[in-house]
Amino acid sequence: DQQVKQNSPSLSVQEGRISILNCDYTNSMFDYFLWYKKYPAEGPTFLISISSIKDKNEDGRFTVFLNKSAKHLSLHIVPSQPGDSAVYFCAASAYNTNAGKSTFGDGTTLTVKP
Amino acid sequence: GAGVSQSPRYKVAKRGQDVALRCDPISGHVSLFWYQQALGQGPEFLTYFQNEAQLDKSGLPSDRFFAERPEGSVSTLKIQRTQQEDSAVYLCASSPSGGPYEQYFGPGTRLTVT
Repeated sequence: DQQVKQNSPSLSVQEGRISILNCDYTNSMFDYFLWYKKYPAEGPTFLISISSIKDKNEDGRFTVFLNKSAKHLSLHIVPSQPGDSAVYFCAASAYNTNAGKSTFGDGTTLTVKP
Repeated sequence: GAGVSQSPRYKVAKRGQDVALRCDPISGHVSLFWYQQALGQGPEFLTYFQNEAQLDKSGLPSDRFFAERPEGSVSTLKIQRTQQEDSAVYLCASSPSGGPYEQYFGPGTRLTVT
């Protein structure tokens, strides 16, 4: 049973527009969520995170929204740039029970067209 | 500064061979993680060290997999009697503390078992 799901394998947007990547989770023990970005032949790179005590966290062009009741989070990228083209992974941790261990979704490939 | 490094970057093994994959974390990072990433999927947790202590090995798929971090820095993931289903990218990550926070990933070792 996959505990973190990214239901859209791919997303294509025009440069300058908003990219919205979605993630759903099933384990109510998850209390910390992260987004990573991955280029080919490289390891994932941390992008932004959010604790379950918040519902929004913003860092420059990147904003993560958390809806605990729906067990859903989303990453907004505004404005999207061609360099944002990569695979985006959502990850979740349950600090009190599995400190540090992250459960990842299968990723969404974002393509930003010039 | 230096990031997480892994060696070798690519490894081809014949079925039944033993392999050893090395991870050099960022200096001073307390936590070290190993993940297995199959093609088209997200990283899947294997094991976690805090300093030299292996606190969680619940993700190791069988007793053919063994990990160690004897001095709390460099770690080795060993796979004995490799099988075709072991073919994957093995990612190592480190983080400065023991919490659920962002992890710094190496580029991975791509293992192909023939």
